[in-house]
Amino acid sequence: NAGVTQTPKFQVLKTGQSMTLQCAQDMNHNSMYWYRQDPGMGLRLIYYSASEGTTDKGEVPNGYNVSRLNKREFSLRLESAAPSQTSVYFCASSGRHGEQYFGPGTRLTVT
Amino acid sequence: AQSVSQHNHHVILSEAASLELGCNYSYGGTVNLFWYVQYPGQHLQLLLKYFSGDPLVKGIKGFEAEFIKSKFSFNLRKPSVQWSDTAEYFCAVNEGGRGSTLGRLYFGRGTQLTVWP
Repeated sequence: NAGVTQTPKFQVLKTGQSMTLQCAQDMNHNSMYWYRQDPGMGLRLIYYSASEGTTDKGEVPNGYNVSRLNKREFSLRLESAAPSQTSVYFCASSGRHGEQYFGPGTRLTVT
Repeated sequence: AQSVSQHNHHVILSEAASLELGCNYSYGGTVNLFWYVQYPGQHLQLLLKYFSGDPLVKGIKGFEAEFIKSKFSFNLRKPSVQWSDTAEYFCAVNEGGRGSTLGRLYFGRGTQLTVWP
């Protein structure tokens, strides 16, 4: 039982490049989330998916897209990376009472 | 939307000192409450949670928190901290009460705890 897994762990992009961050959970959770974490800003919600087939914007969705591929997988795409998207990205899924379980994170640098 | 306030940005303590981190939220309805811990370079881990019942909840590693509904507060405490407790601590709130399947959490901005040996 791996919980929430994310790939890659680290990534460096040049401005304008695109990439997809992958997330999968094996806890049979309906809801999944993408956050970014920046110093002094705490966690900010980018997008979430309450169930397979649905996605909704969070606090900071601009510059990102998501796909809920199936119940297990929820990917985050940066179409044209910008230096402001340099951050640590966390995926999470939530259990029955709303407690969230986080993946190990992806540290992204955009130069 | 829910807002969550953590009063202290950075707390510095010596080992064996007692700890209390404040957390207040704005939503007046039924809530689920959580504290998460993030050790340096790691992801957030659930420290403890409150859904209903006894307002004093115990979590891992000797931490506890008290839900005071009248004060919209959920403060985290530990009687005697250790150097290994150095980490960032996040309070989080979920609207909807027990059984909510939409677990959208609202996080505070975090409190960095530094414990000197």
